[in-house]
Amino acid sequence: DADVTQTPRNRITKTGKRIMLECSQTKGHDRMYWYRQDPGLGLRLIYYSFDVKDINKGEISDGYSVSRQAQAKFSLSLESAIPNQTALYFCATSDAAGRKETQYFGPGTRLLVL
Amino acid sequence: DQQVKQNSPSLSVQEGRISILNCDYTNSMFDYFLWYKKYPAEGPTFLISISSIKDKNEDGRFTVFLNKSAKHLSLHIVPSQPGDSAVYFCAASSSGSARQLTFGSGTQLTVLP
Repeated sequence: DADVTQTPRNRITKTGKRIMLECSQTKGHDRMYWYRQDPGLGLRLIYYSFDVKDINKGEISDGYSVSRQAQAKFSLSLESAIPNQTALYFCATSDAAGRKETQYFGPGTRLLVL
Repeated sequence: DQQVKQNSPSLSVQEGRISILNCDYTNSMFDYFLWYKKYPAEGPTFLISISSIKDKNEDGRFTVFLNKSAKHLSLHIVPSQPGDSAVYFCAASSSGSARQLTFGSGTQLTVLP
């Protein structure tokens, strides 16, 4: 079984719709992250959470919100989707115990906003 | 302003030869560097890392070199295999950024049989 899972894997939606992407992990990590990948731009950080009560904005948080429902679950919402939010979205986790962190990624959600 | 740059979008190498992927950074506060590999329809997977107190780290066929004065790191794959064909991302972090990762734009490596 995968350690980091994302649902849905693919989603097509229309401009103005609200959608939620979900992430679950079984690694027992405290830290969780949401990234988006666009061609030629690599991965950019949207939001991150160091524990259930700690939520932080990343580089490109505008137009997004998140919820950390439990240590193992971190969801990303687009309140009113727009076409330039079409991208590949990745959830990641890491363990705060080590001084040097390695992040572990889910398989991604491909989102198309029409 | 990209703090981590991978200037080669693609690289083709013959099977059995060495693959060298390059990465440059501008933020002198970065003290930990990682390489991730990504296959189509999958998430990035951790490959190898290096701390700024070292200049080389080796793991099997993969070696990462760090030149702090030049703010440059490279990933060497020897020998290259067709299964190494993937997109490779360089990433960096610093304690001052709460260990957030800053990624480069990636290099598509194709190993030709």
